[in-house]
Amino acid sequence: EAQVTQNPRYLITVTGKKLTVTCSQNMNHEYMSWYRQDPGLGLRQIYYSMNVEVTDKGDVPEGYKVSRKEKRNFPLILESPSPNQTSLYFCASSPKLGELFFGEGSRLTVL
Amino acid sequence: KQEVTQIPAALSVPEGENLVLNCSFTDSAIYNLQWFRQDPGKGLTSLLLIQSSQREQTSGRLNASLDKSSGRSTLYIAASQPGDSATYLCAVETMEYGNKLVFGAGTILRVKS
Repeated sequence: EAQVTQNPRYLITVTGKKLTVTCSQNMNHEYMSWYRQDPGLGLRQIYYSMNVEVTDKGDVPEGYKVSRKEKRNFPLILESPSPNQTSLYFCASSPKLGELFFGEGSRLTVL
Repeated sequence: KQEVTQIPAALSVPEGENLVLNCSFTDSAIYNLQWFRQDPGKGLTSLLLIQSSQREQTSGRLNASLDKSSGRSTLYIAASQPGDSATYLCAVETMEYGNKLVFGAGTILRVKS
C-alpha cells in the first residue's frame, strides 16, 4: 500500500530536549516536505527536498533541521524545542510536480 | 509573495445541494493547483490536481476548474452528502523560490442530513 508514515504520532516533551520526527514514503517520490498546521494560521511549509541531498527552506524553517540521505526518508529534527513549536506536523511526498500524499500527522507538545 | 485565499471560511448546506468552494491566488506563476480534504485530526487527502496548462479536472461528484490568468479556482461538489463534511483546502505549487507549496486557510463544510 502506497503511504507516507510518520513517527511518533503523538509526543509530549520539554523545552530543550532534542527530538526527531521520522518520515518515510514507499512510493519512490523525489519530492518530500514538512508542514506545520496551527489554528488560524493554516498549513505552513517548514522545509522541502527535491531529491536526495537537496533540501531548501520553506516559510518557517527557524528552529528546525532536515536531512535527505535516502530517497525514502526525510526526518525533521528539533535541536532545542521551544513551546512555540507545539503544533501538528505533516510530512508529504510527491513525484515532481505531481499529486501530494500526506502522512497522518504528528502532534507535538513542548512544555 | 504568493497568497492563497479561500472563501467562504465555513459553509453549512442541506444534503443534496450542489455547492461551490472558491480559491484565489495572487501570483499566476504556478505549476499546479491541488484541492485537498482534511477530516478532523487526520492528514490531508488529495482530491484533484490541476496542472497549470489545464482548465479543469473531474472525479466523481467533484469538479475543479482553474483560471490561471485571473488567479481563481473553484471546487464544485454535486449532490452533497453528510460524508462530504470536512475541511477543504486548496494549494498552489508556486514558481517563487523554487517549488514551494502555498495553502489556503480552508473552507469548513458541513452537510446536514
